[in-house]
Amino acid sequence: QSALTQPRSVSGSPGQSVTISCTGTSGDVGVYKYVSWYQQHPGKVPKLIIYDVTQRPSGVPDRFSGSKSGNTASLTISGLQPEDEADYYCCSYAGSYSLIFGGGTKLTVL
Amino acid sequence: EVQLVQSGAEVKKPGESLKISCKGSGYTFKSYWIGWVRQMPGKGLEWMGTIYPGDSDTRYSPSFQGHVTISVDRSINTAFLQWSSLQASDTAIYYCARPRLQELVVGFDIWGPGTPVTVSS
Repeated sequence: QSALTQPRSVSGSPGQSVTISCTGTSGDVGVYKYVSWYQQHPGKVPKLIIYDVTQRPSGVPDRFSGSKSGNTASLTISGLQPEDEADYYCCSYAGSYSLIFGGGTKLTVL
Repeated sequence: EVQLVQSGAEVKKPGESLKISCKGSGYTFKSYWIGWVRQMPGKGLEWMGTIYPGDSDTRYSPSFQGHVTISVDRSINTAFLQWSSLQASDTAIYYCARPRLQELVVGFDIWGPGTPVTVSS
């Protein structure tokens, strides 16, 4: 069970938009609607920012959005702000009550 | 307030055993799955396994099956993660987390603070 594939790093300037991809297989991302995204600042606990592919928990800014096409899910952050600099992880349900995380993407706000 | 409180940092030697805990409060503990997630130093998140306190149904990642044991004590609203023989490669922060909905195992919206485990001779 390999990790979902994410780019190691992405970057953008304040105000710009960035998209982080998360590629799985037809056994996880491609077949289930249960893709979630987590934001983790250094030394902090992960925070849920997207669930069920596109849904935002209460309190998460609408600058964060999620989507999915085939075996690839994506997280888009629009109007980048300095506080968005963090690590981002995708996670998918993979059947039989199992989960799989992506390797993580470091977002740098230039 | 819904929260998960984890046991404190541990320093162990290779070959020793260890059991860390995760106590839930502010919600019906037995009705939500609890997941365990490992984060090795400087590395990403890895799902280790999950348990349903209501009936102790437990699922493991193939990567961790046989190396750790996940259990629960409903009487004290606490889930556990244990090792019988630690290795240096078990050095990591271990998080417990609860999904946002009772019927799901995904979408962890509540996380414990993490238990750092250091294994060194």
